[in-house]
Amino acid sequence: ETGVTQTPRHLVMGMTNKKSLKCEQHLGHNAMYWYKQSAKKPLELMFVYNFKEQTENNSVPSRFSPECPNSSHLFLHLHTLQPEDSALYLCASKAQGSTDTQYFGPGTRLTVL
Amino acid sequence: QKEVEQDPGPLSVPEGAIVSLNCTYSNSAFQYFMWYRQYSRKGPELLMYTYSSGNKEDGRFTAQVDKSSKYISLFIRDSQPSDSATYLCAMSGGSGGYNKLIFGAGTRLAVHP
Repeated sequence: ETGVTQTPRHLVMGMTNKKSLKCEQHLGHNAMYWYKQSAKKPLELMFVYNFKEQTENNSVPSRFSPECPNSSHLFLHLHTLQPEDSALYLCASKAQGSTDTQYFGPGTRLTVL
Repeated sequence: QKEVEQDPGPLSVPEGAIVSLNCTYSNSAFQYFMWYRQYSRKGPELLMYTYSSGNKEDGRFTAQVDKSSKYISLFIRDSQPSDSATYLCAMSGGSGGYNKLIFGAGTRLAVHP
């Protein structure tokens, strides 16, 4: 596979559930990102990882917990979410330190009941 | 004031029309400007990428940056129904560095046959 892949593509969960989103990039990049995309709003940056180290947490509630075990994989662990957390969650990657731009995965459409 | 302003549309045009999409921004330190295209239920894909002021052309697409006015544009010539998507402008540079992109909310474009 090439590019940035995300699984699952769709997820429905209750407020008491625990689930995880997975992102994998096959581009040799070393910076990875989680974004939240809600209707009619700009993409909201959530977390940034560079060389597996978290370099940015954009005031994200603790019910979202990221994990980056290596430069190719990124997870977003979800627990006790709220209905307003329903959105498209996008992963992106980039060659860190370069002026190259970010490449996005297809996203996970999350619905919290 | 938002850092990046973009009219959400929707913009509806007939096939073959010239489309003009625009964003304004407030941070004069931005130096890299991108346009992403996002089809329904997909992640954003990079369409055009320009540095500083000037024009860049790629097939039917032209990106224009006017740093003095803090205004960027994307022109689509001979628009096709397959161009129907949401177009996101994004930019980087300044205090956020080149690892963070600031996005507009996106303009939804519909090209009808």
